[in-house]
Amino acid sequence: SQTIHQWPATLVQPVGSPLSLECTVEGTSNPNLYWYRQAAGRGLQLLFYSVGIGQISSEVPQNLSASRPQDRQFILSSKKLLLSDSGFYLCAWSVDRNEQFFGPGTRLTVL
Amino acid sequence: GEDVEQSLFLSVREGDSSVINCTYTDSSSTYLYWYKQEPGAGLQLLTYIFSNMDMKQDQRLTVLLNKKDKHLSLRIADTQTGDSAIYFCAESPILTGGGNKLTFGTGTQLKVEL
Repeated sequence: SQTIHQWPATLVQPVGSPLSLECTVEGTSNPNLYWYRQAAGRGLQLLFYSVGIGQISSEVPQNLSASRPQDRQFILSSKKLLLSDSGFYLCAWSVDRNEQFFGPGTRLTVL
Repeated sequence: GEDVEQSLFLSVREGDSSVINCTYTDSSSTYLYWYKQEPGAGLQLLTYIFSNMDMKQDQRLTVLLNKKDKHLSLRIADTQTGDSAIYFCAESPILTGGGNKLTFGTGTQLKVEL
């Protein structure tokens, strides 16, 4: 069966520090991968999606970047965090049908 | 662009039925989904419906789709305290073979009271 992992589960970082959040998927090949941010207002904002290794589409201009170095690995990064980067970051995957399956999320607090 | 709207809060008593509503604007929506998010957790897919269906039932969950009015609802029968969560409606267009982006509503906070 397929599983999706995210780490770390929680992270507290100072403003200006770098960021690296990792997401890995097991049990499937060539998934579409997604990064979402869920801010205090609860809505989900799609940040990036990827249909294959090295292929990244950005949905909104921002301080963050994404990379997909391997088929089932998706990384969210920043060189310098801003206060506004705080939020709950969710990774998701999909294959044949459009439904997406979500990871447990990473709670990021930027101080 | 696409827009999906939900009411923010719903409060029901344990044992009653809950009905969570959603409206969407994209007429090309093909798949419509309901997700559940418990506090501090990721989203869990509850059910989905294809746009050529009017209704789908899965145990205590019933999904109704009015495609003419672009209205989707989720009915939870015999609501339990464990159903307390945020429920997200989401839609996607016809399979594109790449990206498969979903548009999510803002979520409805369901509170189940004893």
